[in-house]
Amino acid sequence: GAVVSQHPSWVICKSGTSVKIECRSLDFQATTMFWYRQFPKQSLMLMATSNEGSKATYEQGVEKDKFLINHASLTLSTLTVTSAHPEDSSFYICSARAMGGKLFFGSGTQLSVL
Amino acid sequence: KNEVEQSPQNLTAQEGEFITINCSYSVGISALHWLQQHPGGGIVSLFMLSSGKKKHGRLIATINIQEKHSSLHITASHPRDSAVYICAVSGGATNKLIFGTGTLLAVQP
Repeated sequence: GAVVSQHPSWVICKSGTSVKIECRSLDFQATTMFWYRQFPKQSLMLMATSNEGSKATYEQGVEKDKFLINHASLTLSTLTVTSAHPEDSSFYICSARAMGGKLFFGSGTQLSVL
Repeated sequence: KNEVEQSPQNLTAQEGEFITINCSYSVGISALHWLQQHPGGGIVSLFMLSSGKKKHGRLIATINIQEKHSSLHITASHPRDSAVYICAVSGGATNKLIFGTGTLLAVQP
């Protein structure tokens, strides 16, 4: 079945550094990818919708200059958390929409900012 | 009131029991998704429904569009079914997903 690969699975970084998270659709082309954030015991919160070859659409309250999204190809989207701070510590997960609308999720990235 | 409501929030069952998780929504949708999230965080899409009923192994999902209600059933539950089950609907102009708060299922041996 279709697989979405997300890397890294976890990352620890110092405050002020930038962290890049990759999301790849391995055996299908994803014209649309979604980036979510999840706090412990809470539901997923959509951060942005990423369309191949165009600028991402950010949800209200999500800083586009802080959470840079690039969807350079039909199989790869990246989320870069710039100048990370402890409050950015969270679980980030991507999903990709395949033809027909079915969604496939990455395994998530646990970010801890010290 | 949330646009997508799930019940129960927590569910503990004995191995072998038949389990039902309910989802009600208040918006117009193009599809309803049932997702499974394991403790490690990874999410698996179980079903995408727009009408009727789907079955995959021991899992059955139904949807009633008129009543804006969906159920996820697990037959012969097993401890490996322990996870958070999330109902999400997509629709509207943006087709974005709206998530329920999830149901934490624990199946005890």
